Amino acid sequence: NAGVTQTPKFQVLKTGQSMTLQCAQDMNHNSMYWYRQDPGMGLRLIYYSASEGTTDKGEVPNGYNVSRLNKREFSLRLESAAPSQTSVYFCASSEDQVISNQPQHFGDGTRLSIL
Amino acid sequence: GNSVTQMEGPVTLSEEAFLTINCTYTATGYPSLFWYVQYPGEGLQLLLKATKADDKGSNKGFEATYRKETTSFHLEKGSVQVSDSAVYFCALSDRSGFQKLVFGTGTRLLVSP
Repeated sequence: NAGVTQTPKFQVLKTGQSMTLQCAQDMNHNSMYWYRQDPGMGLRLIYYSASEGTTDKGEVPNGYNVSRLNKREFSLRLESAAPSQTSVYFCASSEDQVISNQPQHFGDGTRLSIL
Repeated sequence: GNSVTQMEGPVTLSEEAFLTINCTYTATGYPSLFWYVQYPGEGLQLLLKATKADDKGSNKGFEATYRKETTSFHLEKGSVQVSDSAVYFCALSDRSGFQKLVFGTGTRLLVSP
């Protein structure tokens, strides 16, 4: 009963290093999302993928890239990490977000610290 | 643009007390409304939802009614338990184009025995 799986759970990077956060879902969902969660700011959408083969920018895309590798997997890459990217990152998926009342299912998050 | 405003926390209650967490929204058209809950160290889980005016969402003793006239979706529970301690997020999804969730900032609930 995995749902949405994120790896790693924790990571510490130095400024300028690169890293890829992995996300996979086993619910056969079409749409996937990456959010960051910062104190007092709720969740903010970084990138999303409406369906396999498509990706689009969300509210805060600067400094990030994404890849929708296949229907199951959606990765988030930091090319040159900055301290401002210290955050908790959540991946989510939904059956089809064209239908507005579909809930999103979330992973347990990746806690990322940039020194 | 669309936005969600939640009451600031933390909300501190004793077990069996009545809970209200306020949520108001700004949106064009008629959004769908959600409450998500985040337990410590975990991701968000859908708690309840409502998709049109006057709908009442309910789950695990929690309720929220979609009030179009006051643009509100307040979360209530008649008798909270220690296990309800978590962060609660109100969110909306509009119906224009590709629907994306817009979240409030979250309200932390602390329930003591």
